[in-house]
Amino acid sequence: GAVVSQHPSWVICKSGTSVKIECRSLDFQATTMFWYRQFPKQSLMLMATSNEGSKATYEQGVEKDKFLINHASLTLSTLTVTSAHPEDSSFYICSAIRQDRASTDTQYFGPGTRLTVL
Amino acid sequence: RKEVEQDPGPFNVPEGATVAFNCTYSNSASQSFFWYRQDCRKEPKLLMSVYSSGNEDGRFTAQLNRASQYISLLIRDSKLSDSATYLCVVNGGGGFKTIFGAGTRLFVKA
Repeated sequence: GAVVSQHPSWVICKSGTSVKIECRSLDFQATTMFWYRQFPKQSLMLMATSNEGSKATYEQGVEKDKFLINHASLTLSTLTVTSAHPEDSSFYICSAIRQDRASTDTQYFGPGTRLTVL
Repeated sequence: RKEVEQDPGPFNVPEGATVAFNCTYSNSASQSFFWYRQDCRKEPKLLMSVYSSGNEDGRFTAQLNRASQYISLLIRDSKLSDSATYLCVVNGGGGFKTIFGAGTRLFVKA
């Protein structure tokens, strides 16, 4: 099946630093990727839709200047959490839509990145 | 009203039991429906798609009732390894947007 990877799988950083998370589709091209955030015992919340070659679309309440998204190629999207604070500590998960299949609305998820901001 | 609602549980069942999860969605224009499974501290993984005609995969049966905007998942002969959070996922309705339910936690005990 389709494989989506994320790097790093976990990161601990000091408050005020920036953290970059990479999401890669390993065996297919993805013009659309999604970034989610999940707090403990809560559901996944869509943060933004990442579109290859264009600006990301952010959900209401998500600061685009704080969560920078770049989708420079068909296999890579990055999320940068700028000036991270403890309240940004969360599980960040990306997903990708596979374009070359008949059923194109199935999402394949990366393994997630656990961010802890001290 | 939440766009996708699930009974949060937890459901505590013995091995071998049959358990059913329900999910309702508010957007009648929704087009695709799925059940995902999420283990603790892991990413969600697709369990099965849900079709109007109903579909079955081994011990798992999913049903969709568009008129009532209701989705169900039935697990028969529960195994210890079925313990997880089950997410109801609804997609579509005016552009691609995926909405996740908050999930239903299942604990299967020996």
